[in-house]
Amino acid sequence: SQQGEEDPQALSIQEGENATMNCSYKTSINNLQWYRQNSGRGLVHLILIRSNEREKHSGRLRVTLDTSKKSSSLLITASRAADTASYFCATDAEDSSYKLIFGSGTRLLVRP
Amino acid sequence: ETGVTQSPTHLIKTRGQQVTLRCSSQSGHNTVSWYQQALGQGPQFIFQYYREEENGRGNFPPRFSGLQFPNYSSELNVNALELDDSALYLCASSFPSGQETQYFGPGTRLLVL
Repeated sequence: SQQGEEDPQALSIQEGENATMNCSYKTSINNLQWYRQNSGRGLVHLILIRSNEREKHSGRLRVTLDTSKKSSSLLITASRAADTASYFCATDAEDSSYKLIFGSGTRLLVRP
Repeated sequence: ETGVTQSPTHLIKTRGQQVTLRCSSQSGHNTVSWYQQALGQGPQFIFQYYREEENGRGNFPPRFSGLQFPNYSSELNVNALELDDSALYLCASSFPSGQETQYFGPGTRLLVL
């Protein structure tokens, strides 16, 4: 079963707007990652945040992590049509760090 | 684009048949993980191979098996295919032992009729 759950399941915004996606998980983790997937193809790694970090930036991406609430958010600023994709959070549990546990994803549509 | 390749890209099989999917890992990566992604769902971990040994397994039956070769490429074998095995199968390579960032291939889409 999935550990993480993304919210919302789907998001539609206008180009130039910001997109915020949330992820919740259940167990203690070493780190949390966000991946993007275009049209059912392979996943592309976006950003990794460690359990002792609270915020991380990469270009137009900003990720926050709240381990007390077991939640994370991904903010994409100044969205572009090319950002249209599904976004997944993935965690590695402390007791089984060899595997990534994915949420169910947020489907983002950026309208031109 | 990562350096991870998978073959074939698409495959159609009938129930009860066997299938072998292949994955070449990114140069320098000695760990390969396999995931199953059903339509509209997130990927689910099948198993991981590190230096040719199984390093961990998810909640999949024994008819899902794998191999890793000395060049760190890998195979996923599924016996006695069921309709629910229809999915996108993703492999991911990483270094050194599967933690942190994993680099995914484009996937093999399997349809079981």
